[in-house]
Amino acid sequence: DTEVTQTPKHLVMGMTNKKSLKCEQHMGHRAMYWYKQKAKKPPELMFVYSYEKLSINESVPSRFSPECPNSSLLNLHLHALQPEDSALYLCASSQDHGGAFSYEQYFGPGTRLTVT
Amino acid sequence: SQQGEEDPQALSIQEGENATMNCSYKTSINNLQWYRQNSGRGLVHLILIRSNEREKHSGRLRVTLDTSKKSSSLLITASRAADTASYFCATDFNAGKSTFGDGTTLTVKP
Repeated sequence: DTEVTQTPKHLVMGMTNKKSLKCEQHMGHRAMYWYKQKAKKPPELMFVYSYEKLSINESVPSRFSPECPNSSLLNLHLHALQPEDSALYLCASSQDHGGAFSYEQYFGPGTRLTVT
Repeated sequence: SQQGEEDPQALSIQEGENATMNCSYKTSINNLQWYRQNSGRGLVHLILIRSNEREKHSGRLRVTLDTSKKSSSLLITASRAADTASYFCATDFNAGKSTFGDGTTLTVKP
């Protein structure tokens, strides 16, 4: 199974809402990633988890809160978002993390988030 | 700022033609990867090339890496309509850093 799944596929939320994005992989990968992608732009790295510990936070605002409950799951908790946070949120995993592009990353299909 | 710069930004060709896209970067890298993204979907890994390698092949894909010029190229031969997508290079130039280039949008006309 080389699939990374993400739920939900689409999410519309108000600026006062709290929601969560979920990501799951069953490839035994020990590194998991969250990316944000705006239209016609490349993905931007937000967070990296390595062996279930947060290893990289790319100065992401605290209204985004990642969580890695176990080696297969990655969540992104959202609170008090702004309209400019509307984007495609991509989850990825890789075998390990020794430099993010030392290993092939497997991406999920993404969650398209709209903040109203 | 993004580490990789890709050109062209957009490329339109006829089915059966070859497509070449380039990626340049500013500092030394350990590895470089190429990914494909179909419209609004997740990315798919194409090829990883390490800094001590010069060329790699995978099916109709050929990737070259010139570390002296700090550049890489992706060649897709005998293109198909299904190759229509955005193509990104991705580099790691520092432990833990990951940076995608700005991407090339390829359109293959049937």
